[in-house]
Amino acid sequence: AQKVTQAQTEISVVEKEDVTLDCVYETRDTTYYLFWYKQPPSGELVFLIRRNSFDEQNEISGRYSWNFQKSTSSFNFTITASQVVDSAVYFCALSGNQAGTALIFGKGTTLSVSS
Amino acid sequence: KAGVTQTPRYLIKTRGQQVTLSCSPISGHRSVSWYQQTPGQGLQFLFEYFSETQRNKGNFPGRFSGRQFSNSRSEMNVSTLELGDSALYLCASSLGTEPYEQYFGPGTRLTVT
Repeated sequence: AQKVTQAQTEISVVEKEDVTLDCVYETRDTTYYLFWYKQPPSGELVFLIRRNSFDEQNEISGRYSWNFQKSTSSFNFTITASQVVDSAVYFCALSGNQAGTALIFGKGTTLSVSS
Repeated sequence: KAGVTQTPRYLIKTRGQQVTLSCSPISGHRSVSWYQQTPGQGLQFLFEYFSETQRNKGNFPGRFSGRQFSNSRSEMNVSTLELGDSALYLCASSLGTEPYEQYFGPGTRLTVT
């Protein structure tokens, strides 16, 4: 079975702090895809990144960076110098052969950034 | 490019009624997926349509159904509504059948009383 675990339910930080959101996944597929989505208070899920299982290179996009480690089945997300606008629920998701294109989501991590 | 649109945005129904939700994907996207989001169960996959065919279905009862039209627009229907069907229903569109990134609409908030 496929599963995504986001052990951190809620995280609170002060602006300019760095914060890492953890994501651990389970799958028997050899080819799979991992995603991060952001859900601000408005409710709409915003796509952040997609990574396939053959690409373990870390990715950096502005203040966002992602660390993919197959050895530990983790795909962690770091926000550097957090801002109030980063406050949202962040979801990690998995898609693989077993589920077709269906996204299997973690329960999400609520990030609160205060000024 | 316009994003995914969903109508209506809010809906209040009574137990036992049925409801139809609509989704228009991003232009050029041929795959539409539906998800249910509740505080207890989180985000759960309902079904996916591509070229008017259901390609994948989640673990939901037969009361939940959907369809896709030739212009890729999709509808989902829930019959005999139950209180537990109260949720945010999200539609997502993507280019095709590979696990491309899915772009979500704003959702339809369904309340069943």
